Amino acid sequence: GDSVTQMEGPVTLSEEAFLTINCTYTATGYPSLFWYVQYPGEGLQLLLKATKADDKGSNKGFEATYRKETTSFHLEKGSVQVSDSAVYFCALLGGTSYGKLTFGQGTILTVHP
Amino acid sequence: DADVTQTPRNRITKTGKRIMLECSQTKGHDRMYWYRQDPGLGLQLIYYSFDVKDINKGEISDGYSVSRQAQAKFSLSLESAIPNQTALYFCATSDSGGYGYTFGSGTRLTVV
Repeated sequence: GDSVTQMEGPVTLSEEAFLTINCTYTATGYPSLFWYVQYPGEGLQLLLKATKADDKGSNKGFEATYRKETTSFHLEKGSVQVSDSAVYFCALLGGTSYGKLTFGQGTILTVHP
Repeated sequence: DADVTQTPRNRITKTGKRIMLECSQTKGHDRMYWYRQDPGLGLQLIYYSFDVKDINKGEISDGYSVSRQAQAKFSLSLESAIPNQTALYFCATSDSGGYGYTFGSGTRLTVV
């Protein structure tokens, strides 16, 4: 079945540091890929998405490129802020999932001033 | 008002008690979901419903039941709560393709 694996966490960075959170997936067919963010005390919000190979999703300074050859969708940001502290989830919508998202385990990001 | 509203926001209950978590949405979508979040495990799908007459088990449905009272309402019940059901529960709704998920703010449930 479909699955998503995220890098081990948590991740702790200083403000203005470069961020990478790794995400790899297993799915049949051609899935769509997503990054969701969960701020403290809130539900999940869509951060960005990519629906086909080589697409780049971007939002709020975050980017991720859909790499079919490596089955990856790594999240990057060039300069993190304290306000980026949150839990980040990689997710996929696969060909066999009938519209149900499959989530990775989540990565806790803490950014210090 | 929020697009997806969950009640209660927090609940402490005793082992063996029956408890219902409620969810309502104003997005007008047919699809609704219940997820459970545990630290380090991401979100696991408990039940989902693609329309009012359609109810399906997810990955971890044992010990849970659901009711789809209307297009906008989807309730999750724990018939006899146990401590390992202590978790954060999220309700969500989506469009028919699954690209537009909207989540509620969650219910933090503690079973003692």
